[in-house]
Amino acid sequence: AQSVTQLGSHVSVSEGALVLLRCNYSSSVPPYLFWYVQYPNQGLQLLLKYTSAATLVKGINGFEAEFKKSETSFHLTKPSAHMSDAAEYFCAVKNLAAGNKLTFGGGTRVLVKP
Amino acid sequence: EAGVAQSPRYKIIEKRQSVAFWCNPISGHATLYWYQQILGQGPKLLIQFQNNGVVDDSQLPKDRFSAERLKGVDSTLKIQPAKLEDSAVYLCASSLRTSGHSNTGELFFGEGSRLTVL
Repeated sequence: AQSVTQLGSHVSVSEGALVLLRCNYSSSVPPYLFWYVQYPNQGLQLLLKYTSAATLVKGINGFEAEFKKSETSFHLTKPSAHMSDAAEYFCAVKNLAAGNKLTFGGGTRVLVKP
Repeated sequence: EAGVAQSPRYKIIEKRQSVAFWCNPISGHATLYWYQQILGQGPKLLIQFQNNGVVDDSQLPKDRFSAERLKGVDSTLKIQPAKLEDSAVYLCASSLRTSGHSNTGELFFGEGSRLTVL
């Protein structure tokens, strides 16, 4: 079985401030983890993924995430928010035991204040 | 490279009517997915195809939803009859393949078809 919990359905940050989006997962076997971003009226776009190599993963648009097995977490960060980062962000997990099915969290909507 | 194409982008119907959504995946992608995204929630997998075979349809409400991928390329998702709770965005995605532990294949998503049931 696998599941994803994203803490906080809405996050508001000031432009230039740190963005921190929290994701905790549950997986019976070593997981693959993903962060996707969804802009209004668009599909989902992959930001980054963890595939059992380096635990600190760098993605597009200055985002990065760190896999922490002991905490079952995969939090997403960006040092300095930009107005264009306003979107909804989804954490997702997949593993072989679940047939490689991609399971999404509920999402976190990010608002960037000028 | 062309992305995942979906149509229509928007559809408004009354309850008990039927609707169909079409998806054309990225060329060469063997795996195709249909997700349902209800407002304020994350996408939920409805059905997954590998070529023209169904891999997972455990969360597809089979009394009213059906999907096919007859030639292993494009796919159609149908709802008949629609209920109010079917109002959602239906996302199609594709990936190169899904089998094998080493596959960490990225899913590429279309822009979605937004359904409103009145």
